[in-house]
Amino acid sequence: QLQLQESGPGLVKPSETLSLTCTVSGGSISSGSYYWAWIRQPPGKGLEWIGSIYYTGSTSYNPSLKSRVTISVDASKTHFSLELTSVTAADTALYYCARHEGAAAGRRWFDPWGQGTLVTVSS
Amino acid sequence: QSVLTQPPSVSGAPGQRVTISCTGSSSNIGAGYDVHWYQQLPGTAPKLLIYGNSNRPSGVPDRFSGSKSGTSASLAITGLQAEDEADYYCHSYDSSLSSYVFGTGTKVTVV
Repeated sequence: QLQLQESGPGLVKPSETLSLTCTVSGGSISSGSYYWAWIRQPPGKGLEWIGSIYYTGSTSYNPSLKSRVTISVDASKTHFSLELTSVTAADTALYYCARHEGAAAGRRWFDPWGQGTLVTVSS
Repeated sequence: QSVLTQPPSVSGAPGQRVTISCTGSSSNIGAGYDVHWYQQLPGTAPKLLIYGNSNRPSGVPDRFSGSKSGTSASLAITGLQAEDEADYYCHSYDSSLSSYVFGTGTKVTVV
């Protein structure tokens, strides 16, 4: 059974870079026609797609975050990572990783999800 | 601000049927992009409930059903149960934004 687990610092200072890793177990990042995604949820608010990556390294990002986001896949294809630069308090959120599944762009859904990790931006 | 609008809350008694609407536009649902639905129980990660407008993943009860028409989609829950109390989100793709987008979310309460 595929499982995803987020990890990384729970506290980041304003203007610094948020870095998170998603470890994939029970399956391989390079198997099938799947993308792998990051999604976030500010406390008490809704969901926001951050971006997705294919195992080859091909990426797509939310235009509202594109200038600050980098998603990458490690060479062993066991985990993928998120970097978000120049963070502010508005970036405080639960960060989820998920498999981004579906036959074609624009038709993909997220399943399964990791349990999420809370990142607080504060000095 | 989300481009997919949902009612903030819906409620129903045990056993009743409730529906949640997801209203979009010609650049997302109306453009033919699929709608998917997620259930988020309190304190947990979202879980896929419906994919491709009306398909249920294995393990999801058939009490949950999805439909799509024009620029809107709906999630119906029949035979409402206490365990269905959760937040529900719709999700699609928007070509104007070039982005995957989520609905504003709906809290379902079993009264």
